[in-house]
Amino acid sequence: DQQVKQNSPSLSVQEGRISILNCDYTNSMFDYFLWYKKYPAEGPTFLISISSIKDKNEDGRFTVFLNKSAKHLSLHIVPSQPGDSAVYFCAATNTGNQFYFGTGTSLTVIP
Amino acid sequence: ETGVTQSPTHLIKTRGQQVTLRCSSQSGHNTVSWYQQALGQGPQFIFQYYREEENGRGNFPPRFSGLQFPNYSSELNVNALELDDSALYLCASSLVGQDTEAFFGQGTRLTVV
Repeated sequence: DQQVKQNSPSLSVQEGRISILNCDYTNSMFDYFLWYKKYPAEGPTFLISISSIKDKNEDGRFTVFLNKSAKHLSLHIVPSQPGDSAVYFCAATNTGNQFYFGTGTSLTVIP
Repeated sequence: ETGVTQSPTHLIKTRGQQVTLRCSSQSGHNTVSWYQQALGQGPQFIFQYYREEENGRGNFPPRFSGLQFPNYSSELNVNALELDDSALYLCASSLVGQDTEAFFGQGTRLTVV
């Protein structure tokens, strides 16, 4: 049972434009959500997170939006840079000890 | 800089063998979790250790076992290896409790032949 889903396996965006990565979840008990970025041959790197009591969290070029009623979150990257090209994983938890990950979206930023 | 290190980085084992993977947690972190990432999939939770005790387990059989040591380093042991165990194994350290991110090591790529 895939409780966290990323339905877009890949996304290509021109440099300088906005990248929007989407994530859906099914478990309404999830109360903390995270985005990780992964380069080949490296472990996932924490990017940004959001608590369920918020609907938006911003950190520099990265903003995460949470829509609890739709069980949907998104990651916006503005402006996109070639160095942002990586696989992005959405994750969620309700216990703090187990993270449920999506299958990832491969972002390519075209110079 | 995460500070989580895993060894070895790559490993090839034969079906039926046993394997031990190691992880050194980030300084100050008291919790370590292990994840399995199969090709094309997201990381799947295996288990977590806190204060040297198992503190949650995912849907993995008992032949997957672990240890956490007083210095918060950890081992993942897999017995009776199967071909489907071939995957990237990730270790993550964190502070116990909610609203906290986990920091991952670079992973160990295990191939079972």
